[in-house]
This record gives sequence, structure tokens and C-alpha cells, in this order.
Amino acid sequence: GAVVSQHPSWVICKSGTSVKIECRSLDFQATTMFWYRQFPKQSLMLMATSNEGSKATYEQGVEKDKFLINHASLTLSTLTVTSAHPEDSSFYICSARYGGSLNEQYFGPGTRLTVT
Amino acid sequence: GDSVTQMEGPVTLSEEAFLTINCTYTATGYPSLFWYVQYPGEGLQLLLKATKADDKGSNKGFEATYRKETTSFHLEKGSVQVSDSAVYFCALSDRLTGGGNKLTFGTGTQLKVEL
Repeated sequence: GAVVSQHPSWVICKSGTSVKIECRSLDFQATTMFWYRQFPKQSLMLMATSNEGSKATYEQGVEKDKFLINHASLTLSTLTVTSAHPEDSSFYICSARYGGSLNEQYFGPGTRLTVT
Repeated sequence: GDSVTQMEGPVTLSEEAFLTINCTYTATGYPSLFWYVQYPGEGLQLLLKATKADDKGSNKGFEATYRKETTSFHLEKGSVQVSDSAVYFCALSDRLTGGGNKLTFGTGTQLKVEL
């Protein structure tokens, strides 16, 4: 149980275009979803936290107009990278949690974004 | 702010060797500590956790003890197997600064176990 999927697993796009990444909890309802970004040989950096039906809370330094997060249902959250540039190329990972803060997060396998 | 430092990899061991992956942390409040494992092509999975000083987390033969005096949470296994090959992440969740929601990760340590 507690499986989280991401789609696509990898994507290549041209500079200036927008890319949407989906994160789904397959067998549980996720009250909270998290989006992380990981650079090569670096740790996962939390970008934002989203609760179903409300606006996402972004970490300091993350541009909310560039990284649009929509948590439309208890099983789906999307991250849209708008007007992507090569510096946005990275590994994006989502996680989902049900219940309160004592419950663990379940992670998706990640999405590799390459902007050319 | 909160931070986690873990040893750089890759760590290459022979099967049945003893494993230690060092992890130290800096936290403002009272953190819970975690080890996550990421197998190739899969998402991070919680391996073990400890929520207070002197707690020992254990799972699948892996152990880590929450040492407040040395601010450490080193991961150990007495006899590794090829199937343990993965990337291991140390992380903390600080109830004071993050309300218990936010995970702060180390950079990850890749473990390769050879026959």
C-alpha cells in the first residue's frame, strides 16, 4: 500500500514552454502533498507544501508564479513549470501524506526535466 | 537553520561486510530523525526513524541510534547484501521550525554491494 506515482518519468522541453508534472496517490487519500527538487549530488530541497483545496505554501526563494502547484483532489497534485529555462532542468520529486504530522511521507519515483 | 550532513559516496562493499553511513545534524528545536532508502527507479522509502534522544530505529537489519550529545544518527548494518545497493538519505523533521511537516535531507549516500 501507500504508492505514489508521477507522470511523466522524464520530459524534454524547449526553453520558453511550460511543462506539467502529475503526482498521484494510488491507494490512499493524501491530505498533504509536497514537491521537492533535487540537483545532482545534492539533497532534496522542499519547494512547496500543498493541501487539498487550498493554495500551496512555497518555501523561501521558490517563485510561486513560475512553479504553479494545484492540489485539485485528495489523490492528485500537479506542478507546472512555466516558461521553462535550462536552469530549471532538474529532478522533481513529490510526496504525499495522509493524516497529521506524525504520519510519514510516501514518495513518488521522480520526474527528470531537461530544458533545451 | 536545520541541516543534515552525511558522508559522500559511493560506498562500495563486499557482500556480508559491515556497513556504517555517517549522519550528523543541526537543528533548532527537537527533531525526529529518519533514514530513507531509494532503490533504482523507485521513490524514497522510509527505512527507519527515531523521535527522541537515545531511541534506536531498526528495520531490515539496519539500525541507527539518536545521539543527542553528538548530534548524530549513523546508519549501520552488520552484514550487507547485494540487494541493499541503493541510495540512502538521512533526514530530520523539526517540530519547532517546521511544525513536524518539513523534512530536511542530506545529500544521499550511494551504496554498492558486490559479490
